[in-house]
Amino acid sequence: EDKVVQSPLSLVVHEGDTVTLNCSYEVTNFRSLLWYKQEKKAPTFLFMLTSSGIEKKSGRLSSILDKKELFSILNITATQTGDSAVYLCAINTNAGKSTFGDGTTLTVKP
Amino acid sequence: GAVVSQHPSRVICKSGTSVKIECRSLDFQATTMFWYRQFPKQSLMLMATSNEGSKATYEQGVEKDKFLINHASLTLSTLTVTSAHPEDSSFYICSAREPGLGQPQHFGDGTRLSIL
Repeated sequence: EDKVVQSPLSLVVHEGDTVTLNCSYEVTNFRSLLWYKQEKKAPTFLFMLTSSGIEKKSGRLSSILDKKELFSILNITATQTGDSAVYLCAINTNAGKSTFGDGTTLTVKP
Repeated sequence: GAVVSQHPSRVICKSGTSVKIECRSLDFQATTMFWYRQFPKQSLMLMATSNEGSKATYEQGVEKDKFLINHASLTLSTLTVTSAHPEDSSFYICSAREPGLGQPQHFGDGTRLSIL
């Protein structure tokens, strides 16, 4: 059975801190790993990773994948209160299946 | 970016009512759409995968006669909760995947369903 494990489950930091969110996985026929941000409504897409070692970056957010260790991290630098959200990691397989982790709840305090 | 519209955003109705939720991909064709259910402070629970022109694939434990899914076109999928009961109250979210197996899903804003 495909499995996606995110850690930590929750995290509280202050504005300006840097955070690292973790995602490990065990899947059959990996195709891509995706990060999403969910605030009050539905998730919004952040990054899609398919190759090891290639960092994807968008502003203060960046992410990288290690296909050997079956692991990805999402970094957020200089955090702001608007970064408070649930961050979801998901795996797509070649069979077209998507599996989501339970998410990391990030709270950024002023 | 890719936009998915989900409607209605909020439904409050009496027990026994059937409720229909629509999910539209506005600027791309989605051969595959997904329906999720999310309980408070929990992650997304996949209910079914909806493929255009064919029957939906339901996850284990999801009653297909209770949650009717229709995906009649490349831009529209509907979920009908039949004879809804209070235990069906939840946040329902649809998503549409860009063409290609590994591509991102883009989510609608969700429908909060409250059955009285």
